[in-house]
Amino acid sequence: GESVGLHLPTLSVQEGDNSIINCAYSNSASDYFIWYKQESGKGPQFIIDIRSNMDKRQGQRVTVLLNKTVKHLSLQIAATQPGDSAVYFCAENNYNQGGKLIFGQGTELSVKP
Amino acid sequence: NAGVTQTPKFQVLKTGQSMTLQCAQDMNHNSMYWYRQDPGMGLRLIYYSASEGTTDKGEVPNGYNVSRLNKREFSLRLESAAPSQTSVYFCASRRQSLNTEAFFGQGTRLTVV
Repeated sequence: GESVGLHLPTLSVQEGDNSIINCAYSNSASDYFIWYKQESGKGPQFIIDIRSNMDKRQGQRVTVLLNKTVKHLSLQIAATQPGDSAVYFCAENNYNQGGKLIFGQGTELSVKP
Repeated sequence: NAGVTQTPKFQVLKTGQSMTLQCAQDMNHNSMYWYRQDPGMGLRLIYYSASEGTTDKGEVPNGYNVSRLNKREFSLRLESAAPSQTSVYFCASRRQSLNTEAFFGQGTRLTVV
């Protein structure tokens, strides 16, 4: 069946360093991907998205890379700050499944001052 | 705008009791979702509604029922609660079912004893 998974469940980085969070997906028909940030006790918040016709998209301090050949997605956070500490999830969507949005397990990012 | 509003925020049930979790959105979104999140895990899709009048099963629908009451409201019902349903429940909505981000509520923390 389809699934979205993450390589690393936890990631610890030094403040100011760059962070890279990875995600593998198994459904080659997925055409839209989203990264969410979830802080403790809160609902997920949208960070950035990318469509399958793109391989890179940049936001403010964040970049998402999509490699469809190996079905891999990554989120890069530049100059990581303590406020970036949270759990990060990737999610995938398949047009042909009418909007079913499936999430991966998540990676906890811890930023050390 | 309030966005996605979930009620209640906290609930304790005894095994076998029933209850309905309420969700309402004021963004005129077509699609709505119910997820559950267990400790240290990602979000698993219970049910979703691509548009008013339609509902579909997600990854973990057993033990739950849903009602898309109108475009704004999507409720989740537990007919006979079990301890395995102890979780945090999130409702989400999307502008359309395809290729847009979902907006999440703050969650309902449910404990079944």
